[in-house]
This record gives sequence, structure tokens and C-alpha cells, in this order.
Amino acid sequence: GQNIDQPTEMTATEGAIVQINCTYQTSGFNGLFWYQQHAGEAPTFLSYNVLDGLEEKGRFSSFLSRSKGYSYLLLKELQMKDSASYLCAVTDSNYQLIWGAGTKLIIKP
Amino acid sequence: NAGVTQTPKFRVLKTGQSMTLLCAQDMNHEYMYWYRQDPGMGLRLIHYSVGEGTTAKGEVPDGYNVSRLKKQNFLLGLESAAPSQTSVYFCASSAGTEAYQPQHFGDGTRLSIL
Repeated sequence: GQNIDQPTEMTATEGAIVQINCTYQTSGFNGLFWYQQHAGEAPTFLSYNVLDGLEEKGRFSSFLSRSKGYSYLLLKELQMKDSASYLCAVTDSNYQLIWGAGTKLIIKP
Repeated sequence: NAGVTQTPKFRVLKTGQSMTLLCAQDMNHEYMYWYRQDPGMGLRLIHYSVGEGTTAKGEVPDGYNVSRLKKQNFLLGLESAAPSQTSVYFCASSAGTEAYQPQHFGDGTRLSIL
């Protein structure tokens, strides 16, 4: 079966750095997305990785290792507004998105 | 910028009642999707459409029907609501299924079945 694993919840301090991991086992791979979802709101697109390596976008970076079935989202200089759930999703061989359950990130002052 | 608009935002139904959720997008996207999101679970695809007049089943289609009569609209119907269908429903659209195309989501419909 297809499976995406993320930690359920993480806590970090304002101004610090946090890494949210995602591991996947899917039938084929055509890219990996990270989305941010604030409580009670819609998911919004953060990043897309299809090649191994690090993609940097401001305070957020996303890393992919296809051979290991592994990705992480790195958030730097954490702000209170970064408190949200972060969803990992993989595009499989049929170009369907398979979603992880999400990681709830709590930022403390 | 409207993007993807879902109506209604909240609804309470009794078991056995029917209703239709409406999704409208103004980005001229070909692809549209209906998901449900339940606590502790990832988004699960109910039905999707690859263009006007076409629909296909996703991971959890039972108890739901859809229609895409116009490119900009995608309707989700519950014929006979059941408590197990209590959930948050999200509609999304994308320009295509090229792997790099992100999906854009509406704000969701919170549906409770009593």
C-alpha cells in the first residue's frame, strides 16, 4: 500500500529552527509537495521537489532524497505565525496526490 | 482574487437528508478535486474531474456523486447523509496533472451529520 509518515506534533521556540520530516512509500514518484494549513483554513502551497537536494525559498527550505524515500521541511527564524500544520504529499505514478496526516507545529514565545 | 470558492461554509444535516456542495474556480483550471479531511488522517480524495463533462472516482467515493457541467464549477452531492460523512470537505483545482502543478484549495465546508 501507499504510505506517508510525518510526526503528529512538534514544538519549537520563536526565533529557532525546526525540521519536519516526511518518509514515503508510494507506487512511483513524480514529485513531493509541502503545504501549510492554519487551523480552520485551507492548505496553501509551500514547495515542490522532484530532484534530490535542497530547495530554498526565504525562511523555508525543503530537501528530498528519492533513494531514501525521505524529505524534510526546514523552517528558520520561527515566527508565531508559523504555528500551523504542515502537510507532506507525494505524486504517485498515476499523478494522484497521496497525503500525509500532517504535522502540527506549535511555536512558543 | 477569488481563486476557489466553496459554498456553504457550514452545514448541519440529519441522517438521510441530501445536499449539494458547490465549488467554483475562476482560474480557468482544467482539473478539480473533492477531498475530505478527518482528524488524524491525511486528505482523502473523493472524486475528481479532468475537464468539463468528465468525472472519476478517487479513494473514498462511496455515498457521494459529482458533476462538472461547466468548467468553472464542480458539485459534490450527498444522496443520503450518514454520520460517517461528518467531515471537513475541501475542493481544489489545478492547471493540469503535470507533476509540478500545485493544487489550489477553497476554504472548506464543515459538515455535521446528526
